[in-house]
This record gives sequence, C-alpha cells and structure tokens, in this order.
Amino acid sequence: QQQVKQSPQSLIVQKGGISIINCAYENTAFDYFPWYQQFPGKGPALLIAIRPDVSEKKEGRFTISFNKSAKQFSLHIMDSQPGDSATYFCAASGSSGNTGKLIFGQGTTLQVKP
Amino acid sequence: EAQVTQNPRYLITVTGKKLTVTCSQNMNHEYMSWYRQDPGLGLRQIYYSMNVEVTDKGDVPEGYKVSRKEKRNFPLILESPSPNQTSLYFCASSPRFGGAGTEAFFGQGTRLTVV
Repeated sequence: QQQVKQSPQSLIVQKGGISIINCAYENTAFDYFPWYQQFPGKGPALLIAIRPDVSEKKEGRFTISFNKSAKQFSLHIMDSQPGDSATYFCAASGSSGNTGKLIFGQGTTLQVKP
Repeated sequence: EAQVTQNPRYLITVTGKKLTVTCSQNMNHEYMSWYRQDPGLGLRQIYYSMNVEVTDKGDVPEGYKVSRKEKRNFPLILESPSPNQTSLYFCASSPRFGGAGTEAFFGQGTRLTVV
C-alpha cells in the first residue's frame, strides 16, 4: 500500500521530443506528489509537485498530469533538451498518520540525444 | 546558503570496520532522514528523525544506527559494515513531516564501498 511504481526505468529521447515518465500509487491517503531531478554526482532536488485537487500543473517545459481515479500521475517534459538528461524520481506522501514520509519510485534515467 | 552537508563524499572501507557518515543542515529543519540509492531500487529510507532525540526505522534499517542529539546533525553509523551496504547514501532534511510543502533538501551524497 505504501509503494510507488515508476516506469520506464530508462528513456532515450531525441532533442526537441517529449519525455514521459509514469507513476502509480496505491494508498489513497497520499495527497502530495512531487517529482525530483537528480544530475550525476548530485543529490535529488525538487522539480515540480502537485496536489490531488488539480489534474495538471505546468512549470515551463515540465508538466505533471494527475489522474486521481486511476491513482496515476506522470511527468511530461516538452521540447526535451540535452541538459534535461538526469534521473527523475516521482514520490508521494500524505498529511497524517504513518503516510507522512516521502515514498519514492524506482527512478527513471533520461538521456536526451542532441 | 541553505544546504545539507554530508561527509565524506567517498569512502572505501573493509568489512567490519565501524564508520560514521556525518550530516548537517543549516535550515533549522525538524525532519531529517537517510536514504540509500541502488540501481533499479530508487531511494529507500534507512532511518528518519522527527526531532531531537526522536528517531525511527525506515524501510531498510538493518545494519545501521542513527542519533539526533542536536537539531542540525544526524549522523549515520555502520557498526560492522558488510559488502551489501556498498551503496550511494543521501541525507535529507525537510521543514515538516508529511503532505504539501514537505520539500526534501538532499545532501551531495556519500559513495560507500565495503570490500
């Protein structure tokens, strides 16, 4: 119930293409869904996050789509650039009880080819 | 500058030799945690602390210890390291536990190799 499943494990996209990473969760008590971006040799850093009361959130070229009924959310990177090459983690947490800690997905390594 | 500082960045040690990885944050965060990152397994929580002297096990606590004597520091202790603890370790801090606004700030990581 506490798991977050992320796919694909790796992704190769041409420059200018759209990168899509998907995540699914089980615990309906989760109410916060962030995405973290990690460059080689660095720690993960918050990229964008969404609450379940909206279906989409956009920040620049990065968009989270959220489907509450399917318990799925995804990250879309429009006009992907080589500088977007990194590992991406989805995560989920809740506001109460034992759901408070961040549960991370398995990670997706994105390579954007020039 | 707001940051989480881990030391050392790289460490090679031998089986059974006790080691400590230090973690310090300067953001006055109450919540701190340790993760290990392994290929295909993502970030798995080892231990977490909700405040000074309050610690609890995460998902993979076996073989690890922590302490939280001061708010800013949260060291990770491996009393008898084994090769299966070879991994990339991250310390993180958050202003609160749970829900929206719980952005986790991560350190730069510690690459540990146990031979």
